[in-house]
Order: sequence, then C-alpha cells, then structure tokens
Amino acid sequence: DAKTTQPPSMDCAEGRAANLPCNHSTISGNEYVYWYRQIHSQGPQYIIHGLKNNETNEMASLIITEDRKSSTLILPHATLRDTAVYYCIASTGANSKLTFGKGITLSVRP
Amino acid sequence: DVKVTQSSRYLVKRTGEKVFLECVQDMDHENMFWYRQDPGLGLRLIYFSYDVKMKEKGDIPEGYSVSREKKERFSLILESASTNQTSMYLCASSLWGQGRGSSYEQYFGPGTRLTVT
Repeated sequence: DAKTTQPPSMDCAEGRAANLPCNHSTISGNEYVYWYRQIHSQGPQYIIHGLKNNETNEMASLIITEDRKSSTLILPHATLRDTAVYYCIASTGANSKLTFGKGITLSVRP
Repeated sequence: DVKVTQSSRYLVKRTGEKVFLECVQDMDHENMFWYRQDPGLGLRLIYFSYDVKMKEKGDIPEGYSVSREKKERFSLILESASTNQTSMYLCASSLWGQGRGSSYEQYFGPGTRLTVT
C-alpha cells in the first residue's frame, strides 16, 4: 500500500466546510483512496472511497487530483459530532487488507 | 445493518494468563481482521482471515495467534499475556474484494480495552 501523509490536526467552525487533505504521491494505478473516521471510544467507520473520479455520498465528498497524488475529504457542513480522527488510506485492498496510519484529528468548535 | 460484536468492552488479566478475545459478525463476510490501537501509533493489523481456517499474519503478529473455525467468528488468542499487550483491540469484517473497491469497506466492532497487570 502507498504511504499517505496527513497533518496531525486541524479545526473548523461548526456549520462550515471541513477540508481534510491527504498526500499519496506514490500511489499506483490500481490503488483506491479510502477515508475512515474514528469517533472517540468507537471503532473506525467507513466514509467514502474513490479511484480517479470525485465521489460524493451522504456523509462527504472526495476530491482526487488529476495526477492522483493527493486528495481532499470534504465535510460540507461540519457539526460537533464530526469531531474525530480521520484516516486516509491508499490501497489495492488485496485480500481486503487496509493499513491505517495515525490519521488527522479534526476538532469542530461551536 | 452490519453488526460486529466483541465479547467484552473491558478486560483485566494478569501477566502469563491465556486470553481469548472473541469477535462475531452477522453479515456472512469472508474477511475478518484483528487490530490493536495504541496512542501515537494508530491502528496496527495483527492477523486477518479471508476464509474459515485460513489466516495470515499482519504487521505485528508476535505474541498472538488466531482461530477461525466458523465463518462468523474470529478469535484472537494471547497465549501468555504480557504488560506490553495492554491495548485497545478492534475486530473488523468485510466482504471478499475480488478487485472491486466497493467491497473493501471494513465494519468495525466497538473494541475491547485489555489491561494486563
């Protein structure tokens, strides 16, 4: 799996968009970008994934650059419940194995 | 909804004890995983299994073994618990991927916080 790099932390105001960056400069053509989050005292939760195209679901949007070397997870209207650690993972998912790094801690302030 | 359950939320064991952590999933998933999570280190994969009686080592298998006798159940075994195995243990399951990214979503249980004294 390609290495991903995320800042250790960021914050945003409630109601504003939260844009969480991730670098994966060595990603290969068959590796997907996955995002998970972990709210305190809970197991991680899948958010979204993508290969080349931008993706959107009810939780978030994923923007992947054309060269696929970086991506941004967007929470369009952050709430206090979005405070969590967010993990960006690049993986082919061979045997469905994912490698979680340290993630980025998002703090949403009132 | 997919449900992954773990036998205990909190567990306290003594050094040298044999410890069993149980995980059960109810969605007929082929893949099951055991991770441990420690402050500053993120989640690290211990073992995973993609079929009954099949297992593969993850990144930190030393000191652990696993058992998968039934598809829905994946057990993590600490043969002789040590204090450095004090950690949060997370179980997860997923469908078999077969090259499709959408199948790689992993569903996690609530975790077991194990303390070895």
